[in-house]
Amino acid sequence: DTGVSQNPRHKITKRGQNVTFRCDPISEHNRLYWYRQTLGQGPEFLTYFQNEAQLEKSRLLSDRFSAERPKGSFSTLEIQRTEQGDSAMYLCASSITVSANTGELFFGEGSRLTVL
Amino acid sequence: AQTVTQSQPEMSVQEAETVTLSCTYDTSESDYYLFWYKQPPSRQMILVIRQEAYKQQNATENRFSVNFQKAAKSFSLKISDSQLGDAAMYFCAYNRDDKIIFGKGTRLHILP
Repeated sequence: DTGVSQNPRHKITKRGQNVTFRCDPISEHNRLYWYRQTLGQGPEFLTYFQNEAQLEKSRLLSDRFSAERPKGSFSTLEIQRTEQGDSAMYLCASSITVSANTGELFFGEGSRLTVL
Repeated sequence: AQTVTQSQPEMSVQEAETVTLSCTYDTSESDYYLFWYKQPPSRQMILVIRQEAYKQQNATENRFSVNFQKAAKSFSLKISDSQLGDAAMYFCAYNRDDKIIFGKGTRLHILP
């Protein structure tokens, strides 16, 4: 399978705990995006990388959230001191630069977070 | 504010019939792309169709076509000959500053 891979697919945690999600993009894709999707809503942009550089962070990304993409390959999204409002599906998408400008993002199946 | 509005939270269509999903958007850009993405239950989102704003001709991809009205900032999706596999959430979106902005989606049910 050469698509975008996200792990874990499901995570249940208690409030206050830290969680980390991993995204493995399509290998030749230099752009990587993180989105958050809550029930009944469309995906909301969180942040994106071009290679290893984090180019933009949404105001939705509080100080408790941090994302990295070391070596421009896989990416991690860490949420510290989770809150119940963090419960959502976290989507990762990748693309090559030209395709990203024209909207063709390739999404993973998402990581669903439930905070109790 | 630059937004995407999908006014139909849910829609149903009989198999083999035609359905149209509505979308309006608001952008101050003169050149942009508009998209419809499909998210099947428990599966990843995929791009269905794309429209370049400077092109007047409406995009078509097999059974999927759009009605793009630039002055009205309207971008509807028509699905012809609906199939059971078309059942999904459909998101209207546009690109802004290297990222894609999505609407809230329309859940499409296909009735056998």
